[in-house]
Amino acid sequence: EVQLVESGGGVVQPGGSLRLSCAASGFTFDDYAMHWVRQAPGKGLEWVSLISGDGGSTYYADSVKGRFTISRDNSKNSLYLQMNSLRTEDTALYYCAKGYSYGADYWGQGTLVTVSS
Amino acid sequence: QSALTQPASVSGSPGQSITISCTGTSSDVGSYNLVSWYQQHPGKAPKLMIYEVSKRPSGVSNRFSGSKSGNTASLTISGLQAEDEADYYCCSYAGSSPVVFGGGTKLTVL
Repeated sequence: EVQLVESGGGVVQPGGSLRLSCAASGFTFDDYAMHWVRQAPGKGLEWVSLISGDGGSTYYADSVKGRFTISRDNSKNSLYLQMNSLRTEDTALYYCAKGYSYGADYWGQGTLVTVSS
Repeated sequence: QSALTQPASVSGSPGQSITISCTGTSSDVGSYNLVSWYQQHPGKAPKLMIYEVSKRPSGVSNRFSGSKSGNTASLTISGLQAEDEADYYCCSYAGSSPVVFGGGTKLTVL
């Protein structure tokens, strides 16, 4: 059974940093690209970032480019999102999702990031 | 990286069919058969319903179907049921900035 469990969310002040983690199980982790997708309270889904299975290729939404860094540790079946220079508009539930044909076939339950002074 | 355009809401009665549209551009929906659709119930994670325009993952009801014409993709739900009431999102591959979602559509079953 595929499981994705996010952690690391919390409350942070504007300009601060946070590192999200996603622990994956139930599939061969390094065979699949992985996404981070976020959802602001009461809003729709917004794609954030994508990393290839070997970690060699990364992609970002314009809204986070230069501030967020996606990475993975295939030896630990883990995905990460380093978020720097956080803004109030980054407040959202952040989902980790297993890539499938540029979509995502499995999603975690999300970790909440609140950026507020 | 503009979001794909979906109607804010659609509604239908039990047993009816509804269609949700997803309009993109020649840089995303129009150029690739890599459109997916997600169902999201309140407080829950999204669930993949359709991938590669018209393919259904194992376990998804055949009442859900997808299609594409030009820059517009569509999700059709036939034999509408109360449990289909949810938010629906389309998503497309978009080349160099590879993934874009639609704004979402709230489906109400009357």
